[in-house]
Amino acid sequence: SQQGEEDPQALSIQEGENATMNCSYKTSINNLQWYRQNSGRGLVHLILIRSNEREKHSGRLRVTLDTSKKSSSLLITASRAADTASYFCATVLIQGAQKLVFGQGTRLTINP
Amino acid sequence: SAVISQKPSRDICQRGTSLTIQCQVDSQVTMMFWYRQQPGQSLTLIATANQGSEATYESGFVIDKFPISRPNLTFSTLTVSNMSPEDSSIYLCSVGVTPGQPQHFGDGTRLSIL
Repeated sequence: SQQGEEDPQALSIQEGENATMNCSYKTSINNLQWYRQNSGRGLVHLILIRSNEREKHSGRLRVTLDTSKKSSSLLITASRAADTASYFCATVLIQGAQKLVFGQGTRLTINP
Repeated sequence: SAVISQKPSRDICQRGTSLTIQCQVDSQVTMMFWYRQQPGQSLTLIATANQGSEATYESGFVIDKFPISRPNLTFSTLTVSNMSPEDSSIYLCSVGVTPGQPQHFGDGTRLSIL
């Protein structure tokens, strides 16, 4: 089964609002990554947060990681129509591991 | 970052046939991976393509159904054999430079089986 569970499965907001997506996982991790997938396309890496980090920023993105709760959140501020996509978290379980284990994803729709 | 070309981008196939998907990278990479994304679902790793040796398959995936080749550090193929409607999915190639670091994905192959 997938390592990560994401919620909500789908989120629809108005342009300009903030969008928050959550990811939970089951076992200890080395790092957690967020990816975006536009419809019919491949995945694009957004941000990586290591297990010893609690928060990371990149432009309008803010990621938090709570290893005690085994959860992460992705916040997109001041959303735009172009942010409409599916967002996936993916975990790397141990240092040096090659594999990514993906969560179920959140389908985000930004309404103009 | 690596640029990945995946072919074909989509195909419609008859059940019982096989299709080979190609993944070409513009630079040498150590790691190449093949994923399946069933309709409306997340990505599931099929196998890691190893250069010069047999691919490493994940639980639930077997070489007879998904043979993989990796003749060099820039190219790999995935064959979906003896296809059935349940194989209708997007198949994605990805590459990694450093273990545990972000992977770069191709645009995927959207496969429909009639």
